[in-house]
Amino acid sequence: TQLLEQSPQFLSIQEGENLTVYCNSSSVFSSLQWYRQEPGEGPVLLVTVVTGGEVKKLKRLTFQFGDARKDSSLHITAAQPGDTGLYLCAGAPRFNKFYFGSGTKLNVKP
Amino acid sequence: EAQVTQNPRYLITVTGKKLTVTCSQNMNHEYMSWYRQDPGLGLRQIYYSMNVEVTDKGDVPEGYKVSRKEKRNFPLILESPSPNQTSLYFCASSLNRGQGQPQHFGDGTRLSIL
Repeated sequence: TQLLEQSPQFLSIQEGENLTVYCNSSSVFSSLQWYRQEPGEGPVLLVTVVTGGEVKKLKRLTFQFGDARKDSSLHITAAQPGDTGLYLCAGAPRFNKFYFGSGTKLNVKP
Repeated sequence: EAQVTQNPRYLITVTGKKLTVTCSQNMNHEYMSWYRQDPGLGLRQIYYSMNVEVTDKGDVPEGYKVSRKEKRNFPLILESPSPNQTSLYFCASSLNRGQGQPQHFGDGTRLSIL
């Protein structure tokens, strides 16, 4: 069982569509991070959310941290082929161990 | 250029033959980690290090060893590799374990154990 559950696992959409990826846990996190990974490379940090209820925007990407700090979402508006990749949420609920979600593989078709 | 460097990038070896995957960072980061990435499971932390000579187990440490004798290097050692350790491995570093510190990842090592 994963500490961080991501859904959906796969998403294939047309260019211009909107989408939301969810990251849920039964544990409380002091912060959650979202990474994007492209084939043949390591994950790259997109954003860190720290405060419950926080909303952060990065161009067409909107990140939200749940009020109880147990969940987060990533919303992409008007997806583009360049958004294609594996999206991972991550955090450390206790001690110094770090946990990643299983990832959402996004494919945006032109 | 700030980076995390892993070597080798690819390795095919046989069961039981000891191997080491090296990891080096040039950012003077305190915190370093090793992860393995398997389909459908995301990244799972193997070991981490808070600083020189301070290491601890992550979520899946069995069959692995690490050492942190210098701040920049954090090698991953498989003393007696087995086929279930076939995976994609990533080394990562961050400034410290402070809240929300970004982790910087290497490009990965694809390991196949026959």
